[in-house]
Amino acid sequence: EIVMTQSPPILSVSPGESATLSCRASQSISSKLAWYQLKRGQPPRLLIFGASTRATGIPARFSASGSGTEFTLTISSLQPEDFVVYFCQQHYNWPLTFGGGTKVEIK
Amino acid sequence: QVQLVESGGGVVQPGGSLRLSCAASGFTFSSYSMHWVRQRPGKGLEWVAVIGTDGLTRYYADSVRGRFTTSRDHSKNTVYLQMSSLRPDDTALYYCAKEFDHDKWFFDYWGQGALVTVSP
Repeated sequence: EIVMTQSPPILSVSPGESATLSCRASQSISSKLAWYQLKRGQPPRLLIFGASTRATGIPARFSASGSGTEFTLTISSLQPEDFVVYFCQQHYNWPLTFGGGTKVEIK
Repeated sequence: QVQLVESGGGVVQPGGSLRLSCAASGFTFSSYSMHWVRQRPGKGLEWVAVIGTDGLTRYYADSVRGRFTTSRDHSKNTVYLQMSSLRPDDTALYYCAKEFDHDKWFFDYWGQGALVTVSP
């Protein structure tokens, strides 16, 4: 099983600033990484797939990069609705696995 | 628009059974694999199971293999998760999710979730 590790668990950022979230895989997953946003009371929302491709309707302030074992999600100019939890997921092989999540909170 | 609506959640005693349903609409259901993902209270997301378009290809997480079975009914556009021998650590919000595309094992649409509580 591929273990996905996200850091930091909690990221404190001021509104309008940028946030950089990390996700590390225990073995190479090529570019098979997705990012999701999870708001309380709502289902997860797909942000990014293939490590860097924004899903339909996702604002340009969300960008992502990486390959192999190291990946990042950058949220520029944080908006109030961005202060929620983010998960990464490898879609390289079975079983599919998620990171533990990063909570972006208001500083 | 795509909609996934789960039902069947509830409270069950350890060792008991429960069947979740997920009714799909707004897309060609028979053309997409469907997944189940759960979130335990205060925890992250855990992939549980997938069923392919043929209804025969199925994979499960080790934590549920042998206890959970997923199936689908194309005439009803519905996917099911039959859960048996339930344990307290199966307590979670269970989501059904649509696979993005064939062999693209990530999820573009999710249901609102069905809460399953396993408690004496």
